[in-house]
Amino acid sequence: NAGVTQTPKFQVLKTGQSMTLQCAQDMNHNSMYWYRQDPGMGLRLIYYSASEGTTDKGEVPNGYNVSRLNKREFSLRLESAAPSQTSVYFCASSVPQETQYFGPGTRLLVL
Amino acid sequence: GQQVMQIPQYQHVQEGEDFTTYCNSSTTLSNIQWYKQRPGGHPVFLIQLVKSGEVKKQKRLTFQFGEAKKNSSLHITATQTTDVGTYFCAVNSALNSGYALNFGKGTSLLVTP
Repeated sequence: NAGVTQTPKFQVLKTGQSMTLQCAQDMNHNSMYWYRQDPGMGLRLIYYSASEGTTDKGEVPNGYNVSRLNKREFSLRLESAAPSQTSVYFCASSVPQETQYFGPGTRLLVL
Repeated sequence: GQQVMQIPQYQHVQEGEDFTTYCNSSTTLSNIQWYKQRPGGHPVFLIQLVKSGEVKKQKRLTFQFGEAKKNSSLHITATQTTDVGTYFCAVNSALNSGYALNFGKGTSLLVTP
């Protein structure tokens, strides 16, 4: 039982490059989330998925796309990375309105 | 969605001193959750409070939910170096297709031996 896993752990991109952050959970949760964390800003919701086939924008969705591939997997894509997207990205999953379980995070640096 | 303000932003204490962080909302909350994030780690759930005036304890940690359900606090008695980290409160916020958590900006606790 791995909980929530994320790949990669670290990534360095050049401005304009694209990449996909992967997230998977094995807790049979319907709800999955992507957050970014910046110093002094707390955790801000990028996108949310209530179930397979549904996604919803959060507080800071610009520059990102998501795919809820199946119940287990929820990916986050940066089509054209910008320095402002340098951040730590966390994926989480939960039963609706209950405890959220977070992955270990992806540390992204965009040069 | 519902927003919460968390204070203080930072707190530096000597080991053995007490610590409190506060979370405030302008609207009535259905519930509130608390998370802890160690340096370099990910947020980990501590507790959820649901009832007005609720008080819950976990060893040296005491969590309170205000009578009006607009504020909450986390108090640590006799801090230890293992308490170092950032403490977040979070509240459920309705989105189009369900709910997600809105997090406070967190209180970073540093404990000096």
